[in-house]
Amino acid sequence: GDSVTQMEGPVTLSEEAFLTINCTYTATGYPSLFWYVQYPGEGLQLLLKATKADDKGSNKGFEATYRKETTSFHLEKGSVQVSDSAVYFCALSDRRDAGKSTFGDGTTLTVKP
Amino acid sequence: GAGVSQTPSNKVTEKGKYVELRCDPISGHTALYWYRQSLGQGPEFLIYFQGTGAADDSGLPNDRFFAVRPEGSVSTLKIQRTERGDSAVYLCASSSDKNTEAFFGQGTRLTVV
Repeated sequence: GDSVTQMEGPVTLSEEAFLTINCTYTATGYPSLFWYVQYPGEGLQLLLKATKADDKGSNKGFEATYRKETTSFHLEKGSVQVSDSAVYFCALSDRRDAGKSTFGDGTTLTVKP
Repeated sequence: GAGVSQTPSNKVTEKGKYVELRCDPISGHTALYWYRQSLGQGPEFLIYFQGTGAADDSGLPNDRFFAVRPEGSVSTLKIQRTERGDSAVYLCASSSDKNTEAFFGQGTRLTVV
């Protein structure tokens, strides 16, 4: 079946540092890929998505590129802020059923001032 | 309301008891999903409704779990003879159709003691 493997955390960075959270996937077919974020005390929110190879999703300074050849969708941000502290989840879904997703286990990011 | 609403936000129950968890989706959303998130893990798909019918219940772990959506809006997840292993956060999500990504509620934290 489908699966998502995320870089294990927790990750602790200083403000303005560069962030990479690795994500690789295994899927039958051609999935859509997502990054979700869960801020403390809040629900899961879609951060960005990509639906085909070489697409780059971006939002709030975060980016991730759909790499079919390496089955990866790594999350990056050039300069993190304290407010980026959260749990980040990589996920995939069949393009014909976008709400039914397979999630990774999440990576906790803490940004220190 | 503006978002997906789940009640209660917290539920503590004794082993062997029956519980019901409620989800109120975004108005007009026809697709509704239930997920379960155990501590330190990503959400796991349980069941998907399109309108009133369960289109995919492949994620329900056993026959103690059941969900309904009688009028195509509010959904109730029902767990019979609860076990300590059922302790988790139960997430509900809805989308305008199955081809678009879903919006998540804040979840119900179920603790079975």
